[in-house]
Amino acid sequence: SQTIHQWPATLVQPVGSPLSLECTVEGTSNPNLYWYRQAAGRGLQLLFYSVGIGQISSEVPQNLSASRPQDRQFILSSKKLLLSDSGFYLCAWTRPGAGGFTGELFFGEGSRLTVL
Amino acid sequence: GENVEQHPSTLSVQEGDSAVIKCTYSDSASNYFPWYKQELGKRPQLIIDIRSNVGEKKDQRIAVTLNKTAKHFSLHITETQPEDSAVYFCAAASYNFNKFYFGSGTKLNVKP
Repeated sequence: SQTIHQWPATLVQPVGSPLSLECTVEGTSNPNLYWYRQAAGRGLQLLFYSVGIGQISSEVPQNLSASRPQDRQFILSSKKLLLSDSGFYLCAWTRPGAGGFTGELFFGEGSRLTVL
Repeated sequence: GENVEQHPSTLSVQEGDSAVIKCTYSDSASNYFPWYKQELGKRPQLIIDIRSNVGEKKDQRIAVTLNKTAKHFSLHITETQPEDSAVYFCAAASYNFNKFYFGSGTKLNVKP
């Protein structure tokens, strides 16, 4: 069966500090990978998605970046955090298929980031 | 890109009543419409989905309807129970672009 792991689960960082959130998927190959952010009381905002190693598409220009160094690893980074970066970050994956994907988006357990 | 709007933002019903959540989307290329349930502090999980070649789909107490012409789709929950209390998200996606766009969420409270 497939599983998705995301860490750390919680972190508190000062403004201006760097960030690294990691996500790995097990039990599948060549997944489509996603990073979403959920601000308090709000919806899920698509930040980045990737259909393969080294292929990253950005949805929202900001001080965050993403990388996919391995097939099943997706990393969200920042060089200098802002207060507005606080939120609940969710990694997700779908199975690739004809036309791009085959359906369900599976989410990780999330990383709650507080920037002080 | 796609813009998904969801209403209402909060919904309170009595146990046993029905609940309806509505979403609209803007991109006619979207052809897959899932609904997710997120309990407090947990990850969103898929509860039902519908593809553009289908107008309605039902799974026990939940159903989804889609009107492609009007670009709107709805979630219907019948005989609501306290455990249905959660935040519900609609989404729209296109097979060609691999991207899922979510609505802003509806917080459903089912009062016993």
